Amino acid sequence: DAGVIQSPRHEVTEMGQEVTLRCKPISGHNSLFWYRQTMMRGLELLIYFNNNVPIDDSGMPEDRFSAKMPNASFSTLKIQPSEPRDSAVYFCASSLNGELTGETQYFGPGTRLLVL
Amino acid sequence: DAKTTQPNSMESNEEEPVHLPCNHSTISGTDYIHWYRQLPSQGPEYVIHGLTSNVNNRMASLAIAEDRKSSTLILHRATLRDAAVYYCILRGSSGGSNYKLTFGKGTLLTVNP
Repeated sequence: DAGVIQSPRHEVTEMGQEVTLRCKPISGHNSLFWYRQTMMRGLELLIYFNNNVPIDDSGMPEDRFSAKMPNASFSTLKIQPSEPRDSAVYFCASSLNGELTGETQYFGPGTRLLVL
Repeated sequence: DAKTTQPNSMESNEEEPVHLPCNHSTISGTDYIHWYRQLPSQGPEYVIHGLTSNVNNRMASLAIAEDRKSSTLILHRATLRDAAVYYCILRGSSGGSNYKLTFGKGTLLTVNP
């Protein structure tokens, strides 16, 4: 299994530009998570999808952030317009069934975003 | 969310056992104890989890105190590849957010050759 696939792995952009991060979860997993990691705030959950439906987006910082999951094998996290404070590593994770407390989450390699 | 307390850092020598402690005095009866680790420049990786009984897998062992207020992750023979930040996380079925992994600062493990 290829694991969770994220693209791009690195992104450098200028303030005000739109940024789109992509994620392909592990086949057969019905839960998908987007996390953000910064030095100041550590790892924090941005949004959780179950069966392609957003269940918890309380961690999305503000309206500039949006996430979609059009099908079971693809999700995007979009930032428009981007700001320097959005610079972070963004991780996508998937799980066979996110609702089960004993279930493992599998993380992708992350996208390192730098907004100048 | 019930919180966990871990030492900021620990150091070990290669091929020696490592015991990583975690305190979780406010754990509820349905909270699972999960351990993840994050190697440098990688995403977090699942290590082990348990509820009440001690658990073993190919990566590590998890020893859970009888009152469940603390647990210890045991790496039986540390290797240089075990150098990482180790996160102890409680994951509960109450409150409707059982899907959530809440990461703290974790313990930075350094393994000396």
